[in-house]
Amino acid sequence: DTAVSQTPKYLVTQMGNDKSIKCEQNLGHDTMYWYKQDSKKFLKIMFSYNNKELIINETVPNRFSPKSPDKAHLNLHINSLELGDSAVYFCASSLGSPLHFGNGTRLTVT
Amino acid sequence: SQQGEEDPQALSIQEGENATMNCSYKTSINNLQWYRQNSGRGLVHLILIRSNEREKHSGRLRVTLDTSKKSSSLLITASRAADTASYFCATDSLNRDDKIIFGKGTRLHILP
Repeated sequence: DTAVSQTPKYLVTQMGNDKSIKCEQNLGHDTMYWYKQDSKKFLKIMFSYNNKELIINETVPNRFSPKSPDKAHLNLHINSLELGDSAVYFCASSLGSPLHFGNGTRLTVT
Repeated sequence: SQQGEEDPQALSIQEGENATMNCSYKTSINNLQWYRQNSGRGLVHLILIRSNEREKHSGRLRVTLDTSKKSSSLLITASRAADTASYFCATDSLNRDDKIIFGKGTRLHILP
């Protein structure tokens, strides 16, 4: 059973579109995260939710909006996609440390 | 801002040799973790060392932590082809804001 699962695995879309990435964890963790990994493999935290409550909101454009309907799910919605949004987006969860990662969603904006 | 910096950025060694990667960080930490990322996959946690520990072992992995120098090293002994991956250090800061910050990673390539 996959512990942290993200969908879709690949997402190709045009500039200006709106898209969502979904994440679910079945580990019973209370904290979930979104990280962005750029082409140089640099991994930067975007958001963190604890029990459906936003606790970390890094300097991310407000075109990015996370939503946590329950503590097992954390979705990421992106409005008005730009070329610079192309990256791999990772969802992760934890109960303290360490983090458990999904396999990523590769977003390509053309 | 970025917390950890690994070096080298890339490392190629022969199978069977030992691989050493280093990580430096900037602020006081609660713990330091090492993760591995295989190509096209998510990061996988390898080992965690707390700020009051100096050395930790797990199988072929040995991690050291020097809080006075704000640095850590990851040693992989008797490397195997399957160890080819990127390795990241990550720090959990003392202010307990649940923010785990990653370094840029070391790309390790094991040559057959």
